[in-house]
Formats: sequence, structure tokens, C-alpha cells
Amino acid sequence: AQKVTQAQTEISVVEKEDVTLDCVYETRDTTYYLFWYKQPPSGELVFLIRRNSFDEQNEISGRYSWNFQKSTSSFNFTITASQVVDSAVYFCALSENSGYSTLTFGKGTMLLVSP
Amino acid sequence: EAGVTQFPSHSVIEKGQTVTLRCDPISGHDNLYWYRRVMGKEIKFLLHFVKESKQDESGMPNNRFLAERTGGTYSTLKVQPAELEDSGVYFCASSQFSGSVETQYFGPGTRLLVL
Repeated sequence: AQKVTQAQTEISVVEKEDVTLDCVYETRDTTYYLFWYKQPPSGELVFLIRRNSFDEQNEISGRYSWNFQKSTSSFNFTITASQVVDSAVYFCALSENSGYSTLTFGKGTMLLVSP
Repeated sequence: EAGVTQFPSHSVIEKGQTVTLRCDPISGHDNLYWYRRVMGKEIKFLLHFVKESKQDESGMPNNRFLAERTGGTYSTLKVQPAELEDSGVYFCASSQFSGSVETQYFGPGTRLLVL
């Protein structure tokens, strides 16, 4: 069975600090996809990134970066120079195989960025 | 392009009553998913439609939950009769395959409180 663990329930930082959100996953499949979603106070889940299991290259998008390491089954998310607008709940998720596949979510990490 | 929309945004009902949640997917998306987040827990899969057919309903908690997607467009999720443990946030997501890859886009959720 697949599982996603986000050990950090809540993180508080001050604006301009860097912050890393941890995500550890478990799966028996060799082909799988990892996702990060952001849930701002408005409530919707906003897609941030999808990464497949065969692509371990790290990705950077502006202030966001993701570190995928199969050796430790981790897919961590770093926000550089955090801003108040980054305050949200962040969810890591996993889907197995290609084709139709439901998402298995972690419990989410609430990030609070103070001015 | 409009995103996934859900109605109502909030619903407060008494135990034993019936509630119907609606989801309008992104236009052209064949896949429609329902998920639920109970307070403090993970977002959990409920069921998946491909067009008007139920592809997977393994996450439906019991027969008090009935989902439909007539005509393969919008979907409804009815809870009858509602119980206290049904309280939570119900998310809808839709997707369309691009090759073998799928990304689910979520709506804002319906917050259900059963008293």
C-alpha cells in the first residue's frame, strides 16, 4: 500500500527566511508520480508540480525548488526568501503507475509566514 | 478557462438530513474525482468517474453516499442520511490525460458540518 508522510504539522517563519517542507513516501511500484499542492486560505488545492519516478532531477521555479531523492524516498519542497503570500497548507501526494490513478495525500504542512 | 467549481461552499445540516454536493469539472475533462478530508486527517479518495461511468468507487465509506455523473458533465454526491462523522471538506478534482500522464485539478471544496 502506498503512503505519504509529512512529519511537519506546522511551520512558522519570518518573511525572507528559507523553509523546507518534508515529504517521505512509500510505494511498491517502480513507476509512480509525486505531486505538491498548495491550499491557500481560500480553500482550493492549487497544483504546484508533478514529478515522475524516473526523473530525479531537481526542479526550480522562481522561489520554489523541489529535491527528489529515490534513495531516501523523499520529495522535499523548499521556498526561498519566503513571503507572507506563501502562507498556506501544503500537501504532498503520490499516485502509482500511469493511467488512472487516485492520489494518496500526506496530512499537509501548514506554513505561516510572518511579516 | 474556468477551473473546477463546487457548490455549495458550505453546508450545515442536522444528523439524519440529506445533503447534495455538486461539482462542475473543467470543460472537456473526462475524469472526475471526489475526495474528502475529515478534520485533522489526510485527504482521502472517494470515487472516480470516467465520463459518466464509475471507474473506481472503492473509497466510498458506505451506502449512505451516492455519486452520479449523468451525461458525463457535472457530478453530484448525495449523503443520505447524514451522520456526524460525515463532517469534513469534500473536494472534487478533474483531469484529462496527456499521453499517459494525468494531473488532477481541484475545486475549492464544500465544507460540510453535520450537527
